[in-house]
Amino acid sequence: DTGVSQNPRHKITKRGQNVTFRCDPISEHNRLYWYRQTLGQGPEFLTYFQNEAQLEKSRLLSDRFSAERPKGSFSTLEIQRTEQGDSAMYLCASSPTGATEAFFGQGTRLTVV
Amino acid sequence: KQEVTQIPAALSVPEGENLVLNCSFTDSAIYNLQWFRQDPGKGLTSLLLIQSSQREQTSGRLNASLDKSSGRSTLYIAASQPGDSATYLCAVRDYGQNFVFGPGTRLSVLP
Repeated sequence: DTGVSQNPRHKITKRGQNVTFRCDPISEHNRLYWYRQTLGQGPEFLTYFQNEAQLEKSRLLSDRFSAERPKGSFSTLEIQRTEQGDSAMYLCASSPTGATEAFFGQGTRLTVV
Repeated sequence: KQEVTQIPAALSVPEGENLVLNCSFTDSAIYNLQWFRQDPGKGLTSLLLIQSSQREQTSGRLNASLDKSSGRSTLYIAASQPGDSATYLCAVRDYGQNFVFGPGTRLSVLP
């Protein structure tokens, strides 16, 4: 296992278009997190899955954002009708159950033009 | 609501110096605290994890301490090297299992 994998690494899209990102967690990690990071800031929590169940969503996750984790494996994050304010690095992390270490992927950098 | 701050925001030191990065959090009810390193435009690399019952953790030239009652953690880097230049982030994991991050300390180690 090579760690948490995120695709694509970079995405440039026009305002108003829909985009989808994918995250493949470390095998057998049942927790999966999505974070958003803007330049010069720490990551901000978006949502969290325990297996296939989405247990918590941040108020940052507007109705234009949707995340899924079918079958409790990989996860997708979709942004509809993108806005320039959506430009950021989107980070995915996974961890096993319990108060254990979390591992992050390399992120997907989104630029909305 | 948990809030995490980090001091200093930026630090520039000559190679070889020992240095301390500070992290403070407002709610002491945490599961653990994790220190990460982030290189420009990259993801986060885990450095050290301290459970809420622990006082410190060490890995190579890095030592992290935790004082949960006062809401503080420090990351000590010994004999700094230019390759240590990066942004260092601390994150606390709360009972909701989410991580709350600080804004980071941007470290530059000059050769």
